[in-house]
Amino acid sequence: RKEVEQDPGPFNVPEGATVAFNCTYSNSASQSFFWYRQDCRKEPKLLMSVYSSGNEDGRFTAQLNRASQYISLLIRDSKLSDSATYLCVVSPNTGFQKLVFGTGTRLLVSP
Amino acid sequence: DARVTQTPRHKVTEMGQEVTMRCQPILGHNTVFWYRQTMMQGLELLAYFRNRAPLDDSGMPKDRFSAEMPDATLATLKIQPSEPRDSAVYFCASGLVPDGRGATDTQYFGPGTRLTVL
Repeated sequence: RKEVEQDPGPFNVPEGATVAFNCTYSNSASQSFFWYRQDCRKEPKLLMSVYSSGNEDGRFTAQLNRASQYISLLIRDSKLSDSATYLCVVSPNTGFQKLVFGTGTRLLVSP
Repeated sequence: DARVTQTPRHKVTEMGQEVTMRCQPILGHNTVFWYRQTMMQGLELLAYFRNRAPLDDSGMPKDRFSAEMPDATLATLKIQPSEPRDSAVYFCASGLVPDGRGATDTQYFGPGTRLTVL
């Protein structure tokens, strides 16, 4: 079983739609959680950190459920520019940021 | 706009040849990571340096891969000899750990080296 699991998609949604991705992780000792975005043939970039209390950044909302060991990302009012692969990332608290990446969920937003 | 740079961006080579990939971390960053990305495995951490010292290379095949930081502005990843299964995109990332302790919050990725081994 992979440490971080995601539905690979693709999720095909029209502009303006709301879409949600989930991700599960197996290491209950994990301490830090992130969503990264990766455009086609580009490098990953940090989208947002995920906190236990949940956090929001504009149209993006991230939630963490430690009891069930899953992380979610909600995108409201999808834009064409949101089309990308979204990587769920987890890190144990080992004193350095050893990131474990999921294989990503692909989102396609169409006009 | 500070960025991580990587060279070469693309490399096609034949099995058995030596491959060297280079990375220039963001000036002032003291942590450097090497990742490999494939369709099947996704992003995997190969090695990690802090203040030029290797801290974790457990993800790297030791028999053929080596990673070094000759100085603070250059990190290298070498494969010798290369094999077709090494074909992947290799990313370098850098970050800053204040005073050399604790975890770096954000890793900044370079554009990657796309390696094809025939």
